[in-house]
Amino acid sequence: EAGVAQSPRYKIIEKRQSVAFWCNPISGHATLYWYQQILGQGPKLLIQFQNNGVVDDSQLPKDRFSAERLKGVDSTLKIQPAKLEDSAVYLCASKQGTIREQFFGPGTRLTVL
Amino acid sequence: ILNVEQSPQSLHVQEGDSTNFTCSFPSSNFYALHWYRWETAKSPEALFVMTLNGDEKKKGRISATLNTKEGYSYLYIKGSQPEDSATYLCACSSNTGKLIFGQGTTLQVKP
Repeated sequence: EAGVAQSPRYKIIEKRQSVAFWCNPISGHATLYWYQQILGQGPKLLIQFQNNGVVDDSQLPKDRFSAERLKGVDSTLKIQPAKLEDSAVYLCASKQGTIREQFFGPGTRLTVL
Repeated sequence: ILNVEQSPQSLHVQEGDSTNFTCSFPSSNFYALHWYRWETAKSPEALFVMTLNGDEKKKGRISATLNTKEGYSYLYIKGSQPEDSATYLCACSSNTGKLIFGQGTTLQVKP
């Protein structure tokens, strides 16, 4: 079974530029999560999707971050414009049904200069 | 769920040493406790999911215990090997599946 795929793996941009990350969850997993992990901190949930609907986006900085999962499968997270403090690893995870375990992708490491 | 704390922040041990880490969490509104291992440049890998007070789980040389009444979990590694070097994350989950992570414990095992 293929795992959660993410791309790109690394991205370096200058502040005020835009960037987008892509995630393809495990086939059949209805729930998809985006986490932000800043160096020295634990991952923090940005947004949770159930199929193509948003369940929780309470910690998503909506003035600059947006995410979509239009067909209930893969998802895109965008930052526009980026700030220095957005430098982090962005992790995507997916989950099947009521099973508690979340499966993570390898993450995208973003550096904002 | 407000705050999940892990200690120590980092740990350096010699190959063959046994070690343990602590995860503390609010005991009220507890749903489940997760342990993940995250090696550099790889995906975080689920080690254990525990829900019941007194739960003990084991996978090879790694084991974990859970005390929901006092709000802590221990992760033990017996006979550490260089390949155990990683960041170990614990997280509490709500009934929606949202994970609240601790800051992690980074383990370095020297040959």
